[in-house]
Amino acid sequence: GNSVTQMEGPVTLSEEAFLTINCTYTATGYPSLFWYVQYPGEGLQLLLKATKADDKGSNKGFEATYRKETTSFHLEKGSVQVSDSAVYFCALRRGSNYKLTFGKGTLLTVNP
Amino acid sequence: DADVTQTPRNRITKTGKRIMLECSQTKGHDRMYWYRQDPGLGLRLIYYSFDVKDINKGEISDGYSVSRQAQAKFSLSLESAIPNQTALYFCATSDPGTSGDNEQFFGPGTRLTVL
Repeated sequence: GNSVTQMEGPVTLSEEAFLTINCTYTATGYPSLFWYVQYPGEGLQLLLKATKADDKGSNKGFEATYRKETTSFHLEKGSVQVSDSAVYFCALRRGSNYKLTFGKGTLLTVNP
Repeated sequence: DADVTQTPRNRITKTGKRIMLECSQTKGHDRMYWYRQDPGLGLRLIYYSFDVKDINKGEISDGYSVSRQAQAKFSLSLESAIPNQTALYFCATSDPGTSGDNEQFFGPGTRLTVL
């Protein structure tokens, strides 16, 4: 079946540090890949997505590249801000039923 | 106004009680979902509905039931609540015909505690 494995947290960084949150997946064929972000007390919001191999999703300074050869979709940001503190979820969608399979989430805390 | 709303936002109940969580959306989406979130486990799908007449079990449907009263409303019921159903519950909607990219839109969540 489909599965998503992401970096265990929590991750604590200082402001302006470089961020990487690793995500790898198991799925047949060519899934679509997503990163969702959950700010404290809120629901999940789509951060970025990629629908085919070698696509790069980007938003708000975050980037992730769909790497089929390594089945990965790592999230990166060059310079994090305190406002980026949140839980980040990697997810995939495979097939026509539009169900999402989520990773366990990674808590990011950015200190000033 | 929020596109996906959930009521109540917080609920404390006792073991054995029946409880209903409600979700309403103004996005006009056909597809609706219920997830639960537990620390360290991410989100897991409980039920999903692709239209008013279509209800499907997710990966953890035991102990839950749902009702799709209208396109805009999707309710989750716990017939006899137990403590391990204590979790954060999210409703979500999607409509690939509109978004074209399979994005799901989430409500703010309902925090349920079963004593």
